[in-house]
Amino acid sequence: AIQMTQSPSSLSASVGDRVTITCRASQYIRDNLGWYQQKPGKAPKLLIYAAASLQSGVPSRFSGSGSATDFTLTISSLQPEDFATYYCLQDYTYPWTFGQGTKVEIK
Amino acid sequence: QVLLQQWGAGLLKPSETLSLTCAVSGGSFSDYSWTFIRQPPGKGLEWIGDLHHSGSTNHNPSLKSRVTISMDTSKNQFSLKLSSVTAADTAIYYCARVGGIAPPPRRRSYLDYWGQGILVTVAS
Repeated sequence: AIQMTQSPSSLSASVGDRVTITCRASQYIRDNLGWYQQKPGKAPKLLIYAAASLQSGVPSRFSGSGSATDFTLTISSLQPEDFATYYCLQDYTYPWTFGQGTKVEIK
Repeated sequence: QVLLQQWGAGLLKPSETLSLTCAVSGGSFSDYSWTFIRQPPGKGLEWIGDLHHSGSTNHNPSLKSRVTISMDTSKNQFSLKLSSVTAADTAIYYCARVGGIAPPPRRRSYLDYWGQGILVTVAS
């Protein structure tokens, strides 16, 4: 199975900060990568699909980039409601695999 | 608005079979694929398997052959069965819709609607 490695595992940031989370695949996955946000006690929410496409209704401060094996999720100006855990998911080949998650906490 | 409503037993004994159902409302059922994801308490997400609108399925080899995913198109429902459960199967189980762009082999998929999640605990 393809291993998805996210970094960092956690980070502390302040409102207004620019935040970057990376996801590295153990092998080529084209641009078959999505990013999901999960808040405590809630189901994950789709933010980005196909590496860089913003899901309808998601604020434009979220953006994704990358292809092949290296991908990035950027939050341009962190808002209070963005404190959550973020996961990447590759859908290039079965079994689909998630990164281990990045917890974004308040500094 | 697409809604996925899940139900199933929340407490199982080791060796029993986990059974969950997800009902879809507010959107097309036959035009999409569907999937199950799980999350052990305090841990990350794991893809369990999916069900294509054709009826074909895929599952995570880590679960060996314990997984069965099926659908009832007359009721707009799909179901998960996981046999021979152990404490390691304790998790929140989610169902989700698989959206996508472009046909295979250039397909990019994503999980755009999720159920509320059900905590399934396996304990003797």
